[in-house]
Amino acid sequence: DIQLTQSPPSLYASVGDRVTITCRASQNIDTYFHWYQQKPGKAPKLLIYAVSHLESGVPSRFSGSGSGTDFTLTISSLQPEDFATYYCQQTYSTPYIFGQGTKLEI
Amino acid sequence: EEQVVESGGGFVQPGGSLTLSCAASGFNFHIFSMNWVRQAPGKGLEWVSNLSGSGRNTYYADSVKGRFTISRDNSKNMLYLQLNSLRLEDTAIYYCAKVGARWTYDAFAVWGQGTMVTVSS
Repeated sequence: DIQLTQSPPSLYASVGDRVTITCRASQNIDTYFHWYQQKPGKAPKLLIYAVSHLESGVPSRFSGSGSGTDFTLTISSLQPEDFATYYCQQTYSTPYIFGQGTKLEI
Repeated sequence: EEQVVESGGGFVQPGGSLTLSCAASGFNFHIFSMNWVRQAPGKGLEWVSNLSGSGRNTYYADSVKGRFTISRDNSKNMLYLQLNSLRLEDTAIYYCAKVGARWTYDAFAVWGQGTMVTVSS
């Protein structure tokens, strides 16, 4: 099975900061890589699909990059509504593993 | 608007069974593969199962293989998850998730609000 290692597990930041979350896959997963945002008590929401493509309605301060096994989610200027937990995911092959999550806190 | 709505969660004793349902609307249901994802209290997301649009191909996490069964009724736009031989560790919110269009490389584009399953004696 493909494993995903997401870091850091938690991150303290302030409004206006630039933050980066990383995710490493145990093997090449091509473009089958995505980022989700989850707020407390809510369902996850797709942020970025296929490494770098913003889902409709997602603010442009979010961006994704990477290739092969190493991927990054960047938030260019944190807004109050961005404080949430972020998960990476691979859909290259089943099981469609999620990363362990990164809790972004003030 | 594309939407999925889960139902069927509840309290069940260890060893018991439960069937979860997911009602889909706003898209051509039979075209898209569907997934179940769960989240134990205070924990991360765990993919549970996937079913192709035709219903022919099923995939399961090792943790539920042989105990859970995913199915769909394309005539009713419904997805199901039969949970058997339930364990304490199956306690979680269960989400139904639709994959996105072909160019999204199977990202989970639409999620329901989830239904809670509690396994307890």
